Amino acid sequence: KAGVTQTPRYLIKTRGQQVTLSCSPISGHRSVSWYQQTPGQGLQFLFEYFSETQRNKGNFPGRFSGRQFSNSRSEMNVSTLELGDSALYLCASSWGTGVGLDYGYTFGSGTRLTVV
Amino acid sequence: KNEVEQSPQNLTAQEGEFITINCSYSVGISALHWLQQHPGGGIVSLFMLSSGKKKHGRLIATINIQEKHSSLHITASHPRDSAVYICAAGGGADGLTFGKGTHLIIQP
Repeated sequence: KAGVTQTPRYLIKTRGQQVTLSCSPISGHRSVSWYQQTPGQGLQFLFEYFSETQRNKGNFPGRFSGRQFSNSRSEMNVSTLELGDSALYLCASSWGTGVGLDYGYTFGSGTRLTVV
Repeated sequence: KNEVEQSPQNLTAQEGEFITINCSYSVGISALHWLQQHPGGGIVSLFMLSSGKKKHGRLIATINIQEKHSSLHITASHPRDSAVYICAAGGGADGLTFGKGTHLIIQP
C-alpha cells in the first residue's frame, strides 16, 4: 500500500517569502499531523487535522497555518519566512478516531526547507 | 503540558550487546510511541504501547503506566540498528510530544 507522501522533498526559499508544503496520507486515514524538526529544538508538534478540522495547534506563531481537504490531503503554509524556519517538516497520518484509543502513525519522508 | 525525558542521549555499543533506552513522561497518556529515525530524516514507527509489553523481532518495548516509564530493548544488537530512537507521548488531537532522542551506534 502507498505510504505517506510529502512534496516537495527539498526546498530553498528566501527570507520573507512564503512556502506551501503538501502531505498525502495513507488511504483511509483521516488524521494528519505536522511536525517541525530542528537540531536545537528537536521534534515539535505544529498542528493536527481530522476531517478537515484543525483540532489542535502547537506553540508556533500565526505565520504557520494549514488546512485539510475532503480527500484528507493536507497542506501547511509558512508566510514571511525567517532563517529560523529552516527545518525538516514531517507529516504523519493515522486513523485518528475516538478519544482514548491508541493511534498508530505513519510518517512521511519529510520536506527539508532551507531559508536563506 | 507533557514533558518527555529520554536516556541516554548517546550510546555506543559492540555488536551483540543488549541495549536499553529509557523514557519517562510527566502526564498520563493514552499511548507511548517508539520511533526510529535514520540519517536522511525518515521516521519509522516501531511500537505503540498503552500497557504491558510488545515484541517485534529483536526489539522489545515495555511500559509501566503507574511509574510513567517505558523502555526499549534491543537484543543481539547489529550495526544496522544504528539510528536515533525517539520516544513520543500522546497522540490524536493533541499530537505527539517527543523526547530528544537517543543516538545509538553499534560497532562491528
